[in-house]
Amino acid sequence: EVQVLESGGGLVQPGGSLRLSCAASGFSFSSYAMSWVRQAPGKGLEWVSGISGSGGSTYFADSVKGRFTISRDNSKNTLYLQMNSLRAEDTAVYYCAKDVLEIRVTPFAFDIWGQGTLVTVSS
Amino acid sequence: QSVLTQPPSVSAAPGQKVTISCSGSSSNIGNNYVSWYQQLPGTAPKLLIYDNNKRPSGIPDRFSGSKSGTSATLGITGLRTGDEADYYCGTWDNILSAWVFGGGTKLTVL
Repeated sequence: EVQVLESGGGLVQPGGSLRLSCAASGFSFSSYAMSWVRQAPGKGLEWVSGISGSGGSTYFADSVKGRFTISRDNSKNTLYLQMNSLRAEDTAVYYCAKDVLEIRVTPFAFDIWGQGTLVTVSS
Repeated sequence: QSVLTQPPSVSAAPGQKVTISCSGSSSNIGNNYVSWYQQLPGTAPKLLIYDNNKRPSGIPDRFSGSKSGTSATLGITGLRTGDEADYYCGTWDNILSAWVFGGGTKLTVL
């Protein structure tokens, strides 16, 4: 079964850091671009960051540029999101999402989503 | 303010048809492929349409997508109460070099 599973969420103080992980299984992980998408409580979806299958190309939303880093370890079938200088407005459920097409550098569409992990930034 | 504009809500009776619009610009919808997502309450989003009008396996043909110029439309026929959800459009934006979602549309099946 094709699936992704996020972990690493939790409560963190403003200005703090957190690293999210996304474990993938059931597909050739290195062949697919991956993204992080978040959803603040009661709000819509917001794309956060994306990375190509090789890891050589990365993209970020302006709201997180310079604070968040995306990476992947294809030997471990795992995607990461390193979040630094966290703010209250970063509070959200963070989803890991797989691209629908192989060998894409930029996101095309997201066909597999995890259940999400909640990040709460509060003192 | 989202880069892609969707109506906040739409409604229709069971069995009827509804359309949800998604308006953008030449930097996003006009030159890229649109996808649509359904988010049932308390669950992760689900891909309904990609490549403007293609359905992943398992998505019924009651759901359809189209694109014209800088706008896209999701159509749902034979509405059921189980279709009540939030629907989002999305695409790549060439100027932002980022993926963008619409603000979402809440569908109510009366």
